[in-house]
Amino acid sequence: GAGVSQSPSNKVTEKGKDVELRCDPISGHTALYWYRQRLGQGLEFLIYFQGNSAPDKSGLPSDRFSAERTGESVSTLTIQRTQQEDSAVYLCASSLRRRRGGLDEQFFGPGTRLTVL
Amino acid sequence: SQQGEEDPQALSIQEGENATMNCSYKTSINNLQWYRQNSGRGLVHLILIRSNEREKHSGRLRVTLDTSKKSSSLLITASRAADTASYFCATDAGGTSYGKLTFGQGTILTVHP
Repeated sequence: GAGVSQSPSNKVTEKGKDVELRCDPISGHTALYWYRQRLGQGLEFLIYFQGNSAPDKSGLPSDRFSAERTGESVSTLTIQRTQQEDSAVYLCASSLRRRRGGLDEQFFGPGTRLTVL
Repeated sequence: SQQGEEDPQALSIQEGENATMNCSYKTSINNLQWYRQNSGRGLVHLILIRSNEREKHSGRLRVTLDTSKKSSSLLITASRAADTASYFCATDAGGTSYGKLTFGQGTILTVHP
């Protein structure tokens, strides 16, 4: 089946504009994660959705960042009033389920490369 | 501070040689995972080792975990040019943080044909 897809693959925007990034997880995956990766760095956790539970937003760097997920499908990550430091690759991942004691591999999308001029 | 920190930051070897990458972390974990990333985009899951395991194999990959030293190593045997990529370790603390991975900054592996 299809893997995790993200759109757009590249986004160039001007400082101060809002951007929306989209993630389509693997069908049936109840858990969805957003990460940010700055150039030459590892991934930073941003937010995580699991089923109908309240999302874990502990990694969002500021209130300019928000994310939504419709049921167990598409998620959008919105960055308002973008700043140059927001430039990074934004990666989405999904996993089958999140359960205590379970070990679920995360499947990553190709990412969206955001450049803020 | 980074939970997972890999060393070396960069490793350059010849095809056929073995490559060893190390990862250290600071807090207790439920499991530790290794990922590969090509060309700075999507990550591919390689292997997961639980906190109560000491060693795990998958094809040419061998992962060890020493929870007393809070460290792990990834060994790639008989490397190939196609193994050229960045390799990241990621820790899962479990509990209420289960599933939330903390990544290190990665090791850039270059395998010369």
